[in-house]
Amino acid sequence: RKEVEQDPGPFNVPEGATVAFNCTYSNSASQSFFWYRQDCRKEPKLLMSVYSSGNEDGRFTAQLNRASQYISLLIRDSKLSDSATYLCAVELESNYQLIWGAGTKLIIKP
Amino acid sequence: EAGVVQSPRYKIIEKKQPVAFWCNPISGHNTLYWYLQNLGQGPELLIRYENEEAVDDSQLPKDRFSAERLKGVDSTLKIQPAELGDSAVYLCASSLGGPKGNTQYFGPGTRLTVL
Repeated sequence: RKEVEQDPGPFNVPEGATVAFNCTYSNSASQSFFWYRQDCRKEPKLLMSVYSSGNEDGRFTAQLNRASQYISLLIRDSKLSDSATYLCAVELESNYQLIWGAGTKLIIKP
Repeated sequence: EAGVVQSPRYKIIEKKQPVAFWCNPISGHNTLYWYLQNLGQGPELLIRYENEEAVDDSQLPKDRFSAERLKGVDSTLKIQPAELGDSAVYLCASSLGGPKGNTQYFGPGTRLTVL
């Protein structure tokens, strides 16, 4: 089993819809979690940090479920500009190294 | 505030040739990372620096890859000789470092093509 797993998608979602995807991790001692957004042929950019029970930033909500060892990202009222690949990263407690998922591709259709 | 700077943005070389990538991190960021990213995959750590010290280079193929971070600021990643399988995007990232300071900021990357 990979340390961090994501559904590669693509998720094809109509504009205005709500979409959610998960990221599962295997190391139960992990403390910090991140969602990054990566546009085609661009670098990953931080979308949200998820430190405790989750957080919300506008249309984006990130949740952490420690019991089941996954984090989720919810996007409400999706926009065409939300089309991208969403990478999750999990911090190892031992050395603060980030372990990255392979990303979930999201396509918002008009 | 300036972000992470990398150069070159693109590089095309023939196999067995050497190649070098340069990174300038965000000012004040003590931790610097070199990642490799293949299409459809997440970044894979090659080496992590805390100031001048390479604290994690376990995934760096040391027979052909080398890196340095002189004076704890800029860093250079070198491949010699390059192989076809080295074609990928090489990303540099930086962070403040330590617990609660691990938010990483990436440069635009260097897209390497080995022919």
